[in-house]
Amino acid sequence: NAGVTQTPKFQVLKTGQSMTLQCAQDMNHNSMYWYRQDPGMGLRLIYYSASEGTTDKGEVPNGYNVSRLNKREFSLRLESAAPSQTSVYFCASSFSSGGEQFFGPGTRLTVL
Amino acid sequence: GENVEQHPSTLSVQEGDSAVIKCTYSDSASNYFPWYKQELGKRPQLIIDIRSNVGEKKDQRIAVTLNKTAKHFSLHITETQPEDSAVYFCAAGKGEYGNKLVFGAGTILRVKS
Repeated sequence: NAGVTQTPKFQVLKTGQSMTLQCAQDMNHNSMYWYRQDPGMGLRLIYYSASEGTTDKGEVPNGYNVSRLNKREFSLRLESAAPSQTSVYFCASSFSSGGEQFFGPGTRLTVL
Repeated sequence: GENVEQHPSTLSVQEGDSAVIKCTYSDSASNYFPWYKQELGKRPQLIIDIRSNVGEKKDQRIAVTLNKTAKHFSLHITETQPEDSAVYFCAAGKGEYGNKLVFGAGTILRVKS
């Protein structure tokens, strides 16, 4: 039981490049989330998927897109990376509404 | 939307002393309040949570209190140990479809031995 996994662990991009961050969970959770963590700002929700087939914007969705590929996988795409998107990205999942969110190990992204 | 404020931003205590971290929230409809601990370079992990139908919850050295009227909740750690040193985040959300959480900015807790 791996829990929540994320790939890659580290990534360096140049301004304007695109990339997709992958997230998968093996806990049969219904809901999945993408957060970014910046120093002094806590965790901010980018997008979430309450259940397979649905996605909704969080606090800071601009510059990102998501795909809930199936119940296990939820990807985050940066179409044209900007230096302001330099951050640590965490994926999380929860079984249902009101439940504990389990976090992945994070992806450290640097945009030059 | 929901806004969560967390204080203090840093807290230093002597080993064995107690530590208290406070959070306020703005949306009176929020009813789920978790606390996460994040060690350096690691992922956030839930340490305790409370729902709005409960005023206090304890788990060994950790307790959380909730005041719905004042819209604030607090984390209490007693008999602090060096391994309690970490960043602590509070969050608030509605226990409904999707469970969207809003996090506080975090508190760096340092326990000096």
